[in-house]
Amino acid sequence: DTAVSQTPKYLVTQMGNDKSIKCEQNLGHDTMYWYKQDSKKFLKIMFSYNNKELIINETVPNRFSPKSPDKAHLNLHINSLELGDSAVYFCASSHYVRTSEAFFGQGTRLTVV
Amino acid sequence: EDKVVQSPLSLVVHEGDTVTLNCSYEVTNFRSLLWYKQEKKAPTFLFMLTSSGIEKKSGRLSSILDKKELSSILNITATQTGDSAIYLCAALPTQGGSEKLVFGKGMKLTVNP
Repeated sequence: DTAVSQTPKYLVTQMGNDKSIKCEQNLGHDTMYWYKQDSKKFLKIMFSYNNKELIINETVPNRFSPKSPDKAHLNLHINSLELGDSAVYFCASSHYVRTSEAFFGQGTRLTVV
Repeated sequence: EDKVVQSPLSLVVHEGDTVTLNCSYEVTNFRSLLWYKQEKKAPTFLFMLTSSGIEKKSGRLSSILDKKELSSILNITATQTGDSAIYLCAALPTQGGSEKLVFGKGMKLTVNP
C-alpha cells in the first residue's frame, strides 16, 4: 500500500523534449512537494503546494511547471529538457499543520541525453 | 540564505562501532530539525527535534538538538551493515507559515563487516 507514489521511476529522454512526472499520495496530507537531488546527492526543494495552492516556488527555470489537480496529486511538467536537468526528482507530502514529517516517494531518475 | 552543514561528509566504520553525525544550521526563524536515512531511494524519516536538550531514541539511534550551538547530533551505537546509508539533516524554518525543509548535503556512512 504505497503512501507516496511517483511515475515513472526511470525516464530517459532527449534534449529538447517535454516530459511529465506524476505524483500521488494516499495519506490524506494537504501539502505536497517536489525536490531535486543532484549528482552530489544534494536535496533541494523546488515547489510546494498546500490544498492545490502554490506556497513555495524556489528559483527554478520556468521550464518547470507544477500542476496540482487536487490535493492528492502534484505533477511536474518539464519543457525543453536540458542536460543539466538530469537528476533524481522526489515527490513528498506532509500534514501542513500537524507535523513536519515529510513522506517521500521513491524518486524518478531523469536522464537527459 | 538558510544553510545546513553536515560533517563528516563520509565515514567508514566496522560493525559494532559507535558513530556520531553532526549537523549545524543557520536558518531564519528556526522551528525544527529533522534527520532522514536514505538508502537506495527515498529518504525515510528518523527524528524530528524541536526542543533543545531532549534526546529522542529509536533502537540504536538517538538524536539531540542544541539550540544554543545551532546544532544537532545523531548517534548510532553498535553499528550494523544495514546502517550503511546517506544520513540527511534538514532544518525547518517558519516562513510565513509555509513549510520548507532546508537539507544538508548528507553524510555517507559505510559499515563494513
